Amino acid sequence: DVQVVESGGGLVKAGGSLRLSCAASGFTFSSYSMNWVRQAPGKGLEWVSSMSSGSRYIYYADSVKGRFSISRDNAKNSLYLQMNSLRAEDTAVYYCARGCRGDCYMSDYWGQGTLVTVSS
Amino acid sequence: QSLLTQPPSVSGAPGQRVTISCTGSSSNIGAGYDVHWYQQLPGTAPKLLIYGNTNRPSGLPDRFSGSKSDTSASLAITGLQAEDEADYYCQSYDRSLSGWVFGGGTKLTVL
Repeated sequence: DVQVVESGGGLVKAGGSLRLSCAASGFTFSSYSMNWVRQAPGKGLEWVSSMSSGSRYIYYADSVKGRFSISRDNAKNSLYLQMNSLRAEDTAVYYCARGCRGDCYMSDYWGQGTLVTVSS
Repeated sequence: QSLLTQPPSVSGAPGQRVTISCTGSSSNIGAGYDVHWYQQLPGTAPKLLIYGNTNRPSGLPDRFSGSKSDTSASLAITGLQAEDEADYYCQSYDRSLSGWVFGGGTKLTVL
């Protein structure tokens, strides 16, 4: 079965850093694009970042550009999100989600999420 | 303010049909980008419901269907059941932002 499991969330002060990890299993990780999507408490979904299967193409939402960095290790079936200069408005559940083999803008499998709380 | 507009809430009685609209613009849905729909049950992660405007993942009941026209899309749910009570989100790509966009979400209440 396809599984993605996030970890690394927690409480951090504004201006601090945090690194999220996503462990994937049940599919050929290196063949799929991967994505991060977040959801602030009581709010809707917000796309954060995407990375192509071979790491060649990387995209960020304007709200995190210059502060967040997405990466992946295909040998370890893992996706990462390095978050720097964190702000109170970054407080959210962060979901790791599988993309596609080719060019697409959607996610078919989502993890359960990891909560990031930024205190001001 | 989301670039994709959804009604905040819809409701229907068991067995009825409801539709949820998703209105975009010429830089996203109207530019030809696909629309996808996700269901989020209370306290859980989103689940893909419809992809590529009209396609259902394997195993999803055909009570759920999607459509797209011009700058908008719709999700229809027939034979409404209590377990359908959830938040529903549409999602597409916006070429002006060069990124994904989500609708604000619609809360479905089964009366």
